[in-house]
Amino acid sequence: EDKVVQSPLSLVVHEGDTVTLNCSYEVTNFRSLLWYKQEKKAPTFLFMLTSSGIEKKSGRLSSILDKKELFSILNITATQTGDSAIYLCAVNRGANNLFFGTGTRLTVIP
Amino acid sequence: EAGVAQSPRYKIIEKRQSVAFWCNPISGHATLYWYQQILGQGPKLLIQFQNNGVVDDSQLPKDRFSAERLKGVDSTLKIQPAKLEDSAVYLCASTRIGTIGELFFGEGSRLTVL
Repeated sequence: EDKVVQSPLSLVVHEGDTVTLNCSYEVTNFRSLLWYKQEKKAPTFLFMLTSSGIEKKSGRLSSILDKKELFSILNITATQTGDSAIYLCAVNRGANNLFFGTGTRLTVIP
Repeated sequence: EAGVAQSPRYKIIEKRQSVAFWCNPISGHATLYWYQQILGQGPKLLIQFQNNGVVDDSQLPKDRFSAERLKGVDSTLKIQPAKLEDSAVYLCASTRIGTIGELFFGEGSRLTVL
């Protein structure tokens, strides 16, 4: 059975802190791994990772994939209150069939 | 570019009643998805269409859920009869054919079954 496990389930930090969110996976058919940010509404796309060891970066957010150990991390530096959201990890199992983890709820306190 | 449109945004029904949700994808997006997101969980794929054909409906509870995309554009998801455990947000998403990975999601339809 396919699994995507995210940790921690929730996290509370202060503005300016750096956080690391984890995603491990076991799927029968891996094509890529994606990170989404979900505030109160629709999930919005952050990154797609297909190759091990190549960091994707966008502003204060970065992510990397390890296909040997079957995990990915999402880093957020200098956190802001606007980073408060649920961060979802998903594996593309082919034909854009995304299998999601349960998410990590991040709360950033001023 | 207009985003994925969904309606209604909120719906409250009694168990055993029926409900329908509508989705209009981004123009030109041939692939459309319906996801169910129960509170505290990640989205779970219910059905995937490419144009008006079904690509994957293996997770759709077919005894009570149905979905159609007759003209290959907008789509309707129906639940009949609803159960308490169907309370969730129903998210619609779309992509262009050939796009790898990034799905564009609508704001969802929140269903509460009492």
